Amino acid sequence: GAVVSQHPSWVICKSGTSVKIECRSLDFQATTMFWYRQFPKQSLMLMATSNEGSKATYEQGVEKDKFLINHASLTLSTLTVTSAHPEDSSFYICSAREKLAGVPYNEQFFGPGTRLTVL
Amino acid sequence: AQSVTQLGSHVSVSEGALVLLRCNYSSSVPPYLFWYVQYPNQGLQLLLKHTTGATLVKGINGFEAEFKKSETSFHLTKPSAHMSDAAEYFCAVTLGWGAAGNKLTFGGGTRVLVKP
Repeated sequence: GAVVSQHPSWVICKSGTSVKIECRSLDFQATTMFWYRQFPKQSLMLMATSNEGSKATYEQGVEKDKFLINHASLTLSTLTVTSAHPEDSSFYICSAREKLAGVPYNEQFFGPGTRLTVL
Repeated sequence: AQSVTQLGSHVSVSEGALVLLRCNYSSSVPPYLFWYVQYPNQGLQLLLKHTTGATLVKGINGFEAEFKKSETSFHLTKPSAHMSDAAEYFCAVTLGWGAAGNKLTFGGGTRVLVKP
């Protein structure tokens, strides 16, 4: 099956620094990638949808300047948490999807997640 | 718009007993429905999905789910729980390409504890 990787799997940073998380589709071309945030013992909340070669679409309440998303190629999307603060500590999960013509729905394949801890 | 409600944030079952996780959805058009499993500090793994066709869907690890349009439900079951089934389970819905950009909406999750 389709494989999505994330790097790093965990990261600890100091308050005020920026952190970049990578999401890669390893064996398919991901025309769309999604970024989710998950707080402890809670569900996944969609942060943004990223289409290759265009600007990301952010969900309501998600700060665009805080969470920078780049989807420069069909296999790579990055999420940069700028000027991170302790409240940004969370589990970040990406998913990737290949758009196939004539199909009403395409499955999202999830990465293993990145745990961010901001001190 | 679509939404998902999972009844029960925690479920405790004995090993060998039936596992039943409840999911109800709300959507303006017939949805596509999914169950995912998440183990600690890991991403989501697809258990099964209902996109078209049969109302009873079989998935991996012995799980199955029944789509009941009249009840707007998609409950997940497994006849006999195993210790390895202890995890968090999420029900999710999407309306497909025609609406909401094929975004997934997740339920709140149900944590399953399996007692020996």
